[in-house]
Amino acid sequence: ILNVEQSPQSLHVQEGDSTNFTCSFPSSNFYALHWYRWETAKSPEALFVMTLNGDEKKKGRISATLNTKEGYSYLYIKGSQPEDSATYLCGVRQGGSYIPTFGRGTSLIVHP
Amino acid sequence: KAGVTQTPRYLIKTRGQQVTLSCSPISGHRSVSWYQQTPGQGLQFLFEYFSETQRNKGNFPGRFSGRQFSNSRSEMNVSTLELGDSALYLCASSPEGGGGQPQHFGDGTRLSIL
Repeated sequence: ILNVEQSPQSLHVQEGDSTNFTCSFPSSNFYALHWYRWETAKSPEALFVMTLNGDEKKKGRISATLNTKEGYSYLYIKGSQPEDSATYLCGVRQGGSYIPTFGRGTSLIVHP
Repeated sequence: KAGVTQTPRYLIKTRGQQVTLSCSPISGHRSVSWYQQTPGQGLQFLFEYFSETQRNKGNFPGRFSGRQFSNSRSEMNVSTLELGDSALYLCASSPEGGGGQPQHFGDGTRLSIL
């Protein structure tokens, strides 16, 4: 069973703060990592798909990096806004598997 | 392009009953996966269907079953419901279910067992 760990479990920041959180996974047999944003009462929305060691992806104020050799990915949010409040999910696929295994998510609350 | 549609959105059942949930994937998507989410837990994978065949299965008891039709629509069935089955059930689709493609999720069905 693939173990995907996300930290911290929850995070409270003030509007304008920059923040980051981590997704850790076994480095062996890595295939792809997916980041999702899940707002309350909505469906999870794909942010990034990352496959190569050293990958960096950016979408507006949100960016992500990937280190497959040491088994982690960071998600950064620059200048957090209240609308960034959501749970951020990380899903990791290993080679030979069609389906990602998800971590428990990081719940981000941005206070105005 | 219409998104992933799950019906019903909410459902209340009692212990011992059975329930069927439905998922219509994005047009052209052939892979449909089902997940269970309970408080404090991540998304727990139930099963994945591709071209009407169950391709992957998670660690859930046999009371949880599913199927996929030729139009890629999928149903999930839970028999002999238990209190612990109360959860949000999410369906996700993707074109092939492999490669670097993300999954597209529906809004989920909230199942409550009394």
